[in-house]
Amino acid sequence: AQSVAQPEDQVNVAEGNPLTVKCTYSVSGNPYLFWYVQYPNRGLQFLLKYITGDNLVKGSYGFEAEFNKSQTSFHLKKPSALVSDSALYFCAVRDIWGRDMRFGAGTRLTVKP
Amino acid sequence: DGGITQSPKYLFRKEGQNVTLSCEQNLNHDAMYWYRQDPGQGLRLIYYSQIVNDFQKGDIAEGYSVSREKKESFPLTVTSAQKNPTAFYLCASSIAGTLNTGELFFGEGSRLTVL
Repeated sequence: AQSVAQPEDQVNVAEGNPLTVKCTYSVSGNPYLFWYVQYPNRGLQFLLKYITGDNLVKGSYGFEAEFNKSQTSFHLKKPSALVSDSALYFCAVRDIWGRDMRFGAGTRLTVKP
Repeated sequence: DGGITQSPKYLFRKEGQNVTLSCEQNLNHDAMYWYRQDPGQGLRLIYYSQIVNDFQKGDIAEGYSVSREKKESFPLTVTSAQKNPTAFYLCASSIAGTLNTGELFFGEGSRLTVL
């Protein structure tokens, strides 16, 4: 079965610095990978996805993610963090048949002024 | 505006009572999902449905039931058999089909507290 892991519960960065939120995956076949963001007491919002093609995927709010097949990773990045980026971030994977989506445990990002 | 509506946003239940959480979407999506969110555990899949009148158990279906009588609606019932029902419940929808690469669209969630 497909799964993702987010090795860090918490990531702290200073405003203006680059940020990275890590995700590794385990799937049979080609992975369909996603990043979502959640603000307190709200639903999840889609940021970006990797299906095929260019390993660097650009998404909403200046976020991007790099797909690395040899390391089975899909790390979320942003060149310059904003305080408003502080939220809970989830990595997710669809199975190859597209039937359901499985999520990591989440990483809480805190950007300090 | 198109989207997913969950209700109620907050719900309190006494032990031994069944409760039903509503989820309605007007995105014309065939697939709908229910997830449970607990602190530190991420989202866990309860049930999902790829088409009307059909649904599949997820990882933690015990103590829950669903129905899919209409494309727009996918209500979740939390029964008295669910041992730890206090949680944040999220409904989502997406396009469906084989080799589906579509992202999920989420509602705003329903927070259930058992007193």
